[in-house]
Amino acid sequence: SQTIHQWPATLVQPVGSPLSLECTVEGTSNPNLYWYRQAAGRGLQLLFYSVGIGQISSEVPQNLSASRPQDRQFILSSKKLLLSDSGFYLCAWAQGAGTQYFGPGTRLLVL
Amino acid sequence: GQNIDQPTEMTATEGAIVQINCTYQTSGFNGLFWYQQHAGEAPTFLSYNVLDGLEEKGRFSSFLSRSKGYSYLLLKELQMKDSASYLCASNTGFQKLVFGTGTRLLVSP
Repeated sequence: SQTIHQWPATLVQPVGSPLSLECTVEGTSNPNLYWYRQAAGRGLQLLFYSVGIGQISSEVPQNLSASRPQDRQFILSSKKLLLSDSGFYLCAWAQGAGTQYFGPGTRLLVL
Repeated sequence: GQNIDQPTEMTATEGAIVQINCTYQTSGFNGLFWYQQHAGEAPTFLSYNVLDGLEEKGRFSSFLSRSKGYSYLLLKELQMKDSASYLCASNTGFQKLVFGTGTRLLVSP
């Protein structure tokens, strides 16, 4: 069966510091991968998606970036965090045009 | 533009039936998803409607009318553990989902 992991689970970072969140998927190959952010009181916002290694599509212009160095690894990064980057970051995977399944999420607080 | 509307909050009693509505207006439509999200946790998949009509899965059913841009999630025999947020999402193509802000359901004894 497929499993999706995210780490860290929680993170508190000062404004201006860098960020690296990691997501890995097991039990499937060549998945579509997604990064979402859920801010308090708002819906899930798609940030990036990837259909293969090195292929990244950005949905919302911002100071975040994503990379997919391996088939089942998806990384979300920032060089300098802003207060507005606080939120619940969720990684999801899908097989082709199938249902998206979410990881446990990373709660980020920028102070 | 992309617009998904669902009520912010609903309350219901244990054992009752509740219907959570969702209307959508999105550029491109390939189906409608419902997810359940307990506080502090990730969303979990409930249902996916591509064609018009009702899909039943145990206590949960989901309905879609593409001509009306409307869907609902029906929860029967409510249990306390059903207290959660229910997210409606439109599949706009290539599995790009647009989510509503979610409906927080509170089930009371």
